[in-house]
Amino acid sequence: IAGITQAPTSQILAAGRRMTLRCTQDMRHNAMYWYRQDLGLGLRLIHYSNTAGTTGKGEVPDGYSVSRANTDDFPLTLASAVPSQTSVYFCVSSDSAVTDTQYFGPGTRLTVL
Amino acid sequence: GDSVTQMEGPVTLSEEAFLTINCTYTATGYPSLFWYVQYPGEGLQLLLKATKADDKGSNKGFEATYRKETTSFHLEKGSVQVSDSAVYFCALGLANKFYFGSGTKLNVKP
Repeated sequence: IAGITQAPTSQILAAGRRMTLRCTQDMRHNAMYWYRQDLGLGLRLIHYSNTAGTTGKGEVPDGYSVSRANTDDFPLTLASAVPSQTSVYFCVSSDSAVTDTQYFGPGTRLTVL
Repeated sequence: GDSVTQMEGPVTLSEEAFLTINCTYTATGYPSLFWYVQYPGEGLQLLLKATKADDKGSNKGFEATYRKETTSFHLEKGSVQVSDSAVYFCALGLANKFYFGSGTKLNVKP
């Protein structure tokens, strides 16, 4: 089934630990994004990639890093997790233009204790 | 900067009532506008979109018209169903960036 997969579905993590959230899409979309969703704050862009080999910072990039080695994969890494990073994380892809639909993954629920 | 503002919820309606969820935007250029819907435990799904002024997006009985003069993209549906209960997000796309509103929760009672 075409679409975006994220792993893990949920995770409880001790503060200070390193964590990588995985994201893979099979639609050959050029652009990929990571958002976090928090109650009352809506969706906030963490990092994005317009095409393989390039990345950019979004609204809330601190404490997160990404890489885009190929078209399909866009992992998000928390180098040293903190409780304020407790959130639901969505990986998103779209074709190049902003007029195109953004396709959302199912999300990863992360709790940092 | 570029942003989207939508009405706060929750909005509670009886089945078959008329729905309006307001959305206004601020943009430095000519954005595309979107409405997304999120059902519990799921990611967002595109509901409808409009790419230029005066365009009307429509899907599943929902409609929204891109109004440049009022910088608005209000979501409407003539007769809501219980199955429409979800969170609705207005969004703006411009220069390879997307900006989402904070979401409006809709509860439809039978």
